[in-house]
Amino acid sequence: AQSVTQLDSHVSVSEGTPVLLRCNYSSSYSPSLFWYVQHPNKGLQLLLKYTSAATLVKGINGFEAEFKKSETSFHLTKPSAHMSDAAEYFCVVSSPHGSSNTGKLIFGQGTTLQVKP
Amino acid sequence: NAGVTQTPKFRILKIGQSMTLQCTQDMNHNYMYWYRQDPGMGLKLIYYSVGAGITDKGEVPNGYNVSRSTTEDFPLRLELAAPSQTSVYFCASSTNGDRGSTEAFFGQGTRLTVV
Repeated sequence: AQSVTQLDSHVSVSEGTPVLLRCNYSSSYSPSLFWYVQHPNKGLQLLLKYTSAATLVKGINGFEAEFKKSETSFHLTKPSAHMSDAAEYFCVVSSPHGSSNTGKLIFGQGTTLQVKP
Repeated sequence: NAGVTQTPKFRILKIGQSMTLQCTQDMNHNYMYWYRQDPGMGLKLIYYSVGAGITDKGEVPNGYNVSRSTTEDFPLRLELAAPSQTSVYFCASSTNGDRGSTEAFFGQGTRLTVV
């Protein structure tokens, strides 16, 4: 079965410093992986996705993530945090075709990013 | 460009009442989902559907029912509302990709309070 673990429930950084949000996944196959962001009292917005192409994926607002199969990780990074990045971030894994849970999307527990001035 | 539309946005129910949360998408997506979001708990999958006429349980299906008679619609039914069902509910849809689902598109959410 697929699962995803976000290793930090809360991350605090200063504005202008790098951001690292960690995500490990478990899958019997090579899955699709996504990062979503949710600002307070808002819906969910896709930041970036890994499907089957380059392992370094660039997303919106300067975020990127690297798919590392050997480490089963998909960590989200940004070189320089902005105050507007403060939000909840979710790592999501998709069950691949042919598995018993085709189409299923499983969310991590979320990481709250705090950005200090 | 409607995308995924959920109704209502807010609702207060009394214990034991029933209601249906509506969800419709106009992107011809075959996959649809219902999630609930509780503070600090992420999103938990309630039910999902891989196509019209096919539904399956997610992580937290108890107390809910779904149906998928058309590609567009995926209503979520609460039969006997309980305080534990106080939550924010999100509907989403997606389609096939090379490695399973593509990214999901989400509705704006329904904030449900059971008193």
